[in-house]
Amino acid sequence: EPEVTQTPSHQVTQMGQEVILRCVPISNHLYFYWYRQILGQKVEFLVSFYNNEISEKSEIFDDQFSVERPDGSNFTLKIRSTKLEDSAMYFCASSEWVENNEQFFGPGTRLTVL
Amino acid sequence: SQQGEEDPQALSIQEGENATMNCSYKTSINNLQWYRQNSGRGLVHLILIRSNEREKHSGRLRVTLDTSKKSSSLLITASRAADTASYFCGTGANSKLTFGKGITLSVRP
Repeated sequence: EPEVTQTPSHQVTQMGQEVILRCVPISNHLYFYWYRQILGQKVEFLVSFYNNEISEKSEIFDDQFSVERPDGSNFTLKIRSTKLEDSAMYFCASSEWVENNEQFFGPGTRLTVL
Repeated sequence: SQQGEEDPQALSIQEGENATMNCSYKTSINNLQWYRQNSGRGLVHLILIRSNEREKHSGRLRVTLDTSKKSSSLLITASRAADTASYFCGTGANSKLTFGKGITLSVRP
């Protein structure tokens, strides 16, 4: 069964460093998403992406964050200058369409900022 | 306002019993999706119910949606120890899902 994959599974970085989290969405899906979950808290929406553009973003998704689809299979989230509070589990998701369509999540990347 | 709030926060049942979990929300939605999360893992999609649907079944899962009350329930019948996990409802509007804090379900063997 097709699934969303994410790499790395765990990333440790120093405060102020740039990190890139990678995702491979399900191959026939057109909509891509990033969510994050701070330990013990809710899963929070960051951004949605379609046709090489951001469709929607949350207040969390500030200028420190960017997304890119560098090729036909990968979808990345970049954090330019990490802060301690960026430590969280980051989930990528994809869906075939945006309206009334299931979003399938990857296993997540645990980001630890020291 | 909070969207997609689940209750109870924690539920402990015996294997074989049914588990009922509820989700309430405040604003209009296009759909509502239930997910399961095992500790430290990703969200596994369980079922989606559209705003014009009232009930949906998938295996041992039954989901209802009452848009007039802005609430949904997830029923897991004949629970198994492997159902032990956190369960989340995500309310869908536009392109994003908004989640609650989740329900921790423990199924005792």
